[in-house]
Amino acid sequence: DTGVSQNPRHKITKRGQNVTFRCDPISEHNRLYWYRQTLGQGPEFLTYFQNEAQLEKSRLLSDRFSAERPKGSFSTLEIQRTEQGDSAMYLCATRDRMNTEAFFGQGTRLTVV
Amino acid sequence: AQSVSQHNHHVILSEAASLELGCNYSYGGTVNLFWYVQYPGQHLQLLLKYFSGDPLVKGIKGFEAEFIKSKFSFNLRKPSVQWSDTAEYFCAALPSGGSYIPTFGRGTSLIVHP
Repeated sequence: DTGVSQNPRHKITKRGQNVTFRCDPISEHNRLYWYRQTLGQGPEFLTYFQNEAQLEKSRLLSDRFSAERPKGSFSTLEIQRTEQGDSAMYLCATRDRMNTEAFFGQGTRLTVV
Repeated sequence: AQSVSQHNHHVILSEAASLELGCNYSYGGTVNLFWYVQYPGQHLQLLLKYFSGDPLVKGIKGFEAEFIKSKFSFNLRKPSVQWSDTAEYFCAALPSGGSYIPTFGRGTSLIVHP
């Protein structure tokens, strides 16, 4: 157990529905990342928070995607009007202030049918 | 933009064979480098990392990697693989300063036959 917790672990949704994922970081990890991983690919960066501030967003992150990290603790990633192409594993990773390695959660596997 | 390339997408070995997985990064400045492993059904976890100093880095489970700055490479090695090393291996780069975003390669799938 890495200490980074993601919920739910699996989500099946119909196309057009909205979904929300949650990430609870290791305590005192001020940097939080969302990545997306599809079969046969490495994690692709989506967005980055330092404390509560969203500092970077990938061009992969369309306007249907939104992420928040209120109070610099847990984070949520919402996808509106899901499309089949959104089917993927969504990973959360966190790092501490000392610039050490990122710790990953188990991920949320999204299937859009 | 920085990128990370992993040359071997699928590797199949027999137990006791030696392993070398290639990783190249494109970034002109100082960079921190990592190898992560993902065992079937599990989360990504760190194998080893390089920040500075000795370019030969030793990690867990007998893995090591060598940073060659002139070649922009950080190849992963293990002298003798075991069946339990079957997993996906990802190389990642994190520039020092500026963007704090680790960039990952597409991964190498390693299958070790007993």
